[in-house]
Amino acid sequence: KNEVEQSPQNLTAQEGEFITINCSYSVGISALHWLQQHPGGGIVSLFMLSSGKKKHGRLIATINIQEKHSSLHITASHPRDSAVYICAVPYSGGGADGLTFGKGTHLIIQP
Amino acid sequence: GAVVSQHPSRVICKSGTSVKIECRSLDFQATTMFWYRQFPKQSLMLMATSNEGSKATYEQGVEKDKFLINHASLTLSTLTVTSAHPEDSSFYICSASLRGGRNQPQHFGDGTRLSIL
Repeated sequence: KNEVEQSPQNLTAQEGEFITINCSYSVGISALHWLQQHPGGGIVSLFMLSSGKKKHGRLIATINIQEKHSSLHITASHPRDSAVYICAVPYSGGGADGLTFGKGTHLIIQP
Repeated sequence: GAVVSQHPSRVICKSGTSVKIECRSLDFQATTMFWYRQFPKQSLMLMATSNEGSKATYEQGVEKDKFLINHASLTLSTLTVTSAHPEDSSFYICSASLRGGRNQPQHFGDGTRLSIL
């Protein structure tokens, strides 16, 4: 089973700050997922990436396959970005698996 | 975009009751759906993989006779918690992927918060 470590667990920042959340995993993977979980529990898929870098609006995700590490960045953070951000990888590394998840980063952006 | 609908969103019931949770892919066919649960302040954990037309694959420690999964069509998977007890109280969430989930984004339902009294 793939093990996922995420840091930091909690992060409070001021509006406008640049945010970085890190994720490392133990077994080589086909793709890594970044997810956003809202207070009610609902989950939104932000990115799925297998190499390099992806950008969507103010969100940027990068991955280094050799180092088994990924980062999620938020530029010009806003209070509406406050949520739990979760890194997830295939359960055993393959492409058809369910996911195993990090513990999440609880992000609070203060006005 | 791909939408997954999960119902009900919240259930409160007495110990011993069986509870059925539905997960539907509204605008795409999902040969594979996944069921997860999340206990308070813990990470999401994979319970089982639901395959259309065949038996579900359960993860270690998940009782298949207690958590019955049926995936009778390409758009619907159901999870039934049989004879639920307070320790089954948790947040249950499903996901589905296009084309069987191989290297595809997963689309999540909104989850079901189950409380057993």
